[in-house]
Amino acid sequence: SQQGEEDPQALSIQEGENATMNCSYKTSINNLQWYRQNSGRGLVHLILIRSNEREKHSGRLRVTLDTSKKSSSLLITASRAADTASYFCATDDGPTSGSRLTFGEGTQLTVNP
Amino acid sequence: DAGITQSPRHKVTETGTPVTLRCHQTENHRYMYWYRQDPGHGLRLIHYSYGVKDTDKGEVSDGYSVSRSKTEDFLLTLESATSSQTSVYFCAISGSTSGRHEQYFGPGTRLTVT
Repeated sequence: SQQGEEDPQALSIQEGENATMNCSYKTSINNLQWYRQNSGRGLVHLILIRSNEREKHSGRLRVTLDTSKKSSSLLITASRAADTASYFCATDDGPTSGSRLTFGEGTQLTVNP
Repeated sequence: DAGITQSPRHKVTETGTPVTLRCHQTENHRYMYWYRQDPGHGLRLIHYSYGVKDTDKGEVSDGYSVSRSKTEDFLLTLESATSSQTSVYFCAISGSTSGRHEQYFGPGTRLTVT
């Protein structure tokens, strides 16, 4: 079963707008990661937030983590057409997981020029 | 995709035939993973390896086997391919330093079983 569930499943915005995607998970985690996948390509790691962190930034990306609600959000500011892709959250469940990640089903983001 | 290659990139095969997919890395990373990606299911872990000759099952391991005889190579074998194994297969690696466990993905192999 999937640990992470993204919301919404699909999001369409205009260039320059902000995009927010959410991820909920069920069990305790060691860290949570976000990945991007362009059509027909492999996933690319974007950002990792540890369970003891609440917010992290990387360029135009801002990730928040609320462990009490078991949820995370990814904000992309000032979106560009090149941001069009699928975005996945993935949870690292800690030492017993054998360094495995559990991925959600993803949010398809379309940024219209 | 730097440092990770998958072969073949595309393959069409018939039901009942054996198929082997290869993942090769030049990063000397300890962990290697095989996933399949299907519409509506995201990425699901098939098998993974935490060292040479050390492998373990993932979420959807039935019908698949793996081998890792060298650090750089991780092979996924479908002993007798079925149509339900039509999918896109991704290999990933992780150096797992500092407990971070971020993964780096190969370009994928599109497998069609007819």
